[in-house]
Amino acid sequence: EAQVTQNPRYLITVTGKKLTVTCSQNMNHEYMSWYRQDPGLGLRQIYYSMNVEVTDKGDVPEGYKVSRKEKRNFPLILESPSPNQTSLYFCASSIAWSSADTQYFGPGTRLTVL
Amino acid sequence: DQQVKQNSPSLSVQEGRISILNCDYTNSMFDYFLWYKKYPAEGPTFLISISSIKDKNEDGRFTVFLNKSAKHLSLHIVPSQPGDSAVYFCAASSRDSNYQLIWGAGTKLIIKP
Repeated sequence: EAQVTQNPRYLITVTGKKLTVTCSQNMNHEYMSWYRQDPGLGLRQIYYSMNVEVTDKGDVPEGYKVSRKEKRNFPLILESPSPNQTSLYFCASSIAWSSADTQYFGPGTRLTVL
Repeated sequence: DQQVKQNSPSLSVQEGRISILNCDYTNSMFDYFLWYKKYPAEGPTFLISISSIKDKNEDGRFTVFLNKSAKHLSLHIVPSQPGDSAVYFCAASSRDSNYQLIWGAGTKLIIKP
């Protein structure tokens, strides 16, 4: 089954404790992206990757890191989480960057930073 | 400064009637518009899209209308069904910004039986 998976689905952590949210897709997609969703703001892009070893900042990259060492995986790293990073996070992928408008989303990771 | 706005946080419609969801945008460079649907505890799923060279696109019960002069698009669902109850996001992109999606805040559609 074609899908985007994220782990964990739910995470409660404390300020400053490094964490990684994993994202994996099995569709051989080139383009992958991370979003956060906050009430009243819709989805905002954090980082995106057009292909292996090619990443770039989205609209809200501060406090986040990403890497794209393999085509299928695109982990999101919070080196020192803060309460304002409490949010619902989505990973997404699409066939190529020119198709970045039609994306397939993972189920989401709800992160709470205390 | 939100470039894509969905001014109705929620909408309630009787089953069988038409649902109309609205979206406004400010960036005239947007050339592709999409609607995504999201159920609780799931990620958004693509529903329907429209290019700026068209003013209407239809897919079964779903039709999207684009009015470029007014910078407005709408999603019509006819007839509305209980399974349509979800949050609907409007999004826009442009070739100039590498097709980065800019999202509205979403409208929660509730279909009443």
